[in-house]
This record gives sequence, C-alpha cells and structure tokens, in this order.
Amino acid sequence: RKEVEQDPGPFNVPEGATVAFNCTYSNSASQSFFWYRQDCRKEPKLLMSVYSSGNEDGRFTAQLNRASQYISLLIRDSKLSDSATYLCVVSQRGGNKLTFGTGTQLKVEL
Amino acid sequence: EAGVVQSPRYKIIEKKQPVAFWCNPISGHNTLYWYRQNLGQGPELLIRYENEEAVDDSQLPKDRFSAERLKGVDSTLKIQPAELGDSAVYLCASSKDRVNTGELFFGEGSRLTVL
Repeated sequence: RKEVEQDPGPFNVPEGATVAFNCTYSNSASQSFFWYRQDCRKEPKLLMSVYSSGNEDGRFTAQLNRASQYISLLIRDSKLSDSATYLCVVSQRGGNKLTFGTGTQLKVEL
Repeated sequence: EAGVVQSPRYKIIEKKQPVAFWCNPISGHNTLYWYRQNLGQGPELLIRYENEEAVDDSQLPKDRFSAERLKGVDSTLKIQPAELGDSAVYLCASSKDRVNTGELFFGEGSRLTVL
C-alpha cells in the first residue's frame, strides 16, 4: 500500500462547479499535511497547509481527519485557471521529508 | 530573489551512457532534495541533504545513482549507466533548515529521456 493515496482522476468539471479531492495516508505518525499544485510540465508549488481544525484560503478549503487518516481539498466556483494536478503531501513529526501522493488531475471546462 | 536553478532542462541519451544533473538552491536554504517524477506520478524522494550531509538516501538506487553536495550549496546527481526506466523528470528542491512549514521550492526540473 502506498504511503499517500489519491484518486488520479481526471476530474472534468464545468466552470463554476464545486469539486472535492480526497487523500488517505497510511502512517499514523504523520504530523503535517499539505496540498501542492502542479501545472502541466511545471514544478509543484505549495497551495496550502492543512490544519487539524480545517482551513480556508479564498475558494479553497482543506480539512483533516486524523482518526480516518484522511485529507480533503474543496474548490468552490472553479475557474479555468484551476486546471492542474493537485498533490497531497504528508510529512512525519519533526522531519523535513515530504511524501507526495500521485496527484489528482482537474480539468475545468467552459 | 532567484529560485532553484537546475540544468540541463532536457537531456536525451542512449542507455548505458552516463548523465549528470546540477542544482543550485535558493540562497540560505540549507536543506536540498532530489526527487524523481515519473509520468502520471507524484515526486518520489531520492536523497535529502542538510548542508553537505546526506541525511536520507534510502530511496537512492546506489548501484547506479550518486549525488554530492560539496560545500553545502549546489548539488549534482549522477546516473551511470542509465537504463530505459530512468526516463523521468528529476526535480531539485530546497527549504529553509529546521523550519517544517512544508514549503519546498522546486526547480523547473531536468527531463531525462533514455533511448
């Protein structure tokens, strides 16, 4: 079983739709959680951290469920520019080692 | 501020040939990472340096891969000899030491094609 698992998609949604991505992790000792965004043929970039209480950044909401070892990302009012691959990332306590999921591809269409 | 710089951007070689990639991290970033990303997959860690010390190289295929970070600044990753399965994007990233904010700054990557 992979340490971080995501549905690869692609998720094809119309502009303005709400879309949610899920991610599960296997190591219960995981301490920190993040979502990265990767545009086609570009490098990954940090989108947002995921906090235990859940957090929001504009149209993006991230949530963490430690009991179920599950992380989610919700995008409201999707824009064409949101089309990208969203990578779920997990790190261990006190470490600088980040483990990436395979990514979920989002395509927002007119 | 300059970002993470990698070279070459693209490299095409025949199998069994050697290849080397170079990375210059963001100034002041003591932690440097080499990741490999296959098509349709997430980045997979090959090696992590803190200053000049390799603190995690457990995923580096040591029979053919080697890396160094002399003087704790720029780094090279070498493959010798390359195999067909090594075709991938090799990503270098850096982060500030002992700040686990989760923010890695990646370079644009070196895309390797082995024929």
